[in-house]
Parts: sequence; C-alpha cells; structure tokens
Amino acid sequence: QVQLVQSGAELKKPGSSVKVSCTASGGTFNTYSINWVRQAPGQGLEWMGGILSTFGTKDYAQRFQGRLTLTTDESTSTAYMELSSLSSEDTAVYYCAREYDFDYGSGSFRYWGQGTLVTVSS
Amino acid sequence: DIQLTQSPSSLSASVGDRVTITCRASQAIVNYLAWYQQKPGKVPKLLISAASALQSGVPSRFSGSGSGTYFTLTISSLQPDDVATYYCQKYNTAPRTFGQGTKVEIK
Repeated sequence: QVQLVQSGAELKKPGSSVKVSCTASGGTFNTYSINWVRQAPGQGLEWMGGILSTFGTKDYAQRFQGRLTLTTDESTSTAYMELSSLSSEDTAVYYCAREYDFDYGSGSFRYWGQGTLVTVSS
Repeated sequence: DIQLTQSPSSLSASVGDRVTITCRASQAIVNYLAWYQQKPGKVPKLLISAASALQSGVPSRFSGSGSGTYFTLTISSLQPDDVATYYCQKYNTAPRTFGQGTKVEIK
C-alpha cells in the first residue's frame, strides 16, 4: 500500500525557516519524483517544486527560487522541503505528492501526503 | 511559463445536471493534463490523467477530453458527493502548474 506520511504542524516566526518531511512507503522510491504543493487558507493549489532522486533532478517554481530547498534521503525513502525567510504569506498547508512508479518526473500526482500546516506568526 | 485558465471559477447546479468545466492552456501541452478533485478540508484526489484517462475507482460519470490547449472535465449527472473544487494541472514538465480551481456546488 502506497503511503506518504508528512511531519506535524509547525508554528514559525517571520524570517525563520521550516523543514517538512515526507516519508514514502510502498513502491520504488527512486522511480518517481516527490513534489511539493501548498495551499494558503481559502486559496488554490500551488506547485512549489519537485525532486527526482535517481538523477538528482530538482525543479523549483520561479517564485520560490533562492529560498526553497528540496532534498531526499534514499536510505529512509524520505523527502524534505525547506523554506526559508518565512513571512505570514507562507502560512499554508504544505502537501507532498508523487507520481506512479516509473513515471520518473513526468507523471500526474497519484498519491498525496496528509498535509502539514505551517503557520507563520510573530 | 505555461498558464492554465479554468472557467467558470464557480458554478451551482442541480442534482442530475450535466456539468462541464474548461481548462485552457496558454501553449499547447499535447494531452499532459490532469484533473483533481478536492473536497472541503480534504487532500486533493487525482481523477483523470492524460486528459481523458479515468483513474481506477473514479465514478464513470466523470470524463475528460481535449488536447493541445483546450480541455474539459464533464460530470454527466451531478451528485451531492461531487461538491468540491476541481483543478486542472499540466504535469509533464516543470513548472507543473495548476489552474485556479472551479468550485462546484449543489443548487
């Protein structure tokens, strides 16, 4: 059974960083990309970036370039999303999502984590 | 970057109605278009990939069509369980952009 399990809710101060984890089970970790999608309160889905550990490929949405870092740990099938220089506008639910096995970074998002609420407040 | 524009942004229809949501891409994306359903407070769910391939377990009243720059999601007979926001997404290359969403309600 495929699962993506994310770390718990975070409360952060403006200017700080947050690191969210996403641990995958089921499937073959290095054959699909892990993507990060966020959703601000009452807003739509926003793709932030994706990482494919097999080839070390990382893609970032333009608006997050420079303050978003995606990494993976293949030994634990875990992906990490670190966002720095947080402001109140980064308050959102952050989801990890992955494709089917063997999509290698070109598939739709079949599986989703449960979401992690990140609240940025002084 | 390719932009996706959904219309309408919201709609209200009666149970049993046929509902169609459109998604227009600013450049041709062949058929690399997915549709997701997100119910209030829930995680998004993949309904359709490759513009028209229904995912396993998704009711057959959902269907997708289109290619190039114009795509549609159709619910043939709207049910109360279909109340949700629907998003299109282009997914084959980065940025894997989502449309702004269409909120579907029951009249």
